[in-house]
Amino acid sequence: GESVGLHLPTLSVQEGDNSIINCAYSNSASDYFIWYKQESGKGPQFIIDIRSNMDKRQGQRVTVLLNKTVKHLSLQIAATQPGDSAVYFCAWGSARQLTFGSGTQLTVLP
Amino acid sequence: EAEVAQSPRYKITEKSQAVAFWCDPISGHATLYWYRQILGQGPELLVQFQDESVVDDSQLPKDRFSAERLKGVDSTLKIQPAELGDSAMYLCASSGRDRANSPLHFGNGTRLTVT
Repeated sequence: GESVGLHLPTLSVQEGDNSIINCAYSNSASDYFIWYKQESGKGPQFIIDIRSNMDKRQGQRVTVLLNKTVKHLSLQIAATQPGDSAVYFCAWGSARQLTFGSGTQLTVLP
Repeated sequence: EAEVAQSPRYKITEKSQAVAFWCDPISGHATLYWYRQILGQGPELLVQFQDESVVDDSQLPKDRFSAERLKGVDSTLKIQPAELGDSAMYLCASSGRDRANSPLHFGNGTRLTVT
């Protein structure tokens, strides 16, 4: 099948290990940040979001960390599973508009 | 779980022809977006609707692209004439009025190939 992200940064992790995907954003005025997962041939799927008044937010197996000082966002995935293999995009902006980063290809090794 | 519906799933067309894509957002979602995603890159916004009104079309190539959402529900994106560089995934997304409680939800897109 087709592959989204033929030239994307890649991250390979062993099944069961934790994954950390990083994102540098460009707009310091952004007040909303979000992570999406995109599997081959599908649209981006919402994972977790965070507003600028927070620096950490946890979901099921995922944690987003926000460092506004250095304009850095990260997604941590605990106990990575084969189904986590996908391209991960961060996005930032306001309540009305998002700008997407270039994505990271996560590959989970058996 | 409610989904954003898009059709067709795939479209192959020759350059200079017209193409149209359709999107039905999640029921009740007032805001609808069309994004274009080139292989290997993140989605880029083309046009944003609030109900039936365009609120941002600054990145829409208006000489060949048009979008409408006449009744504030479903939407159509048209390209006429298509060019080779238009080959991409066209994604539709929607969100509720309260962004804090309604993140942007995407459909599975229309993959356009212009030959």
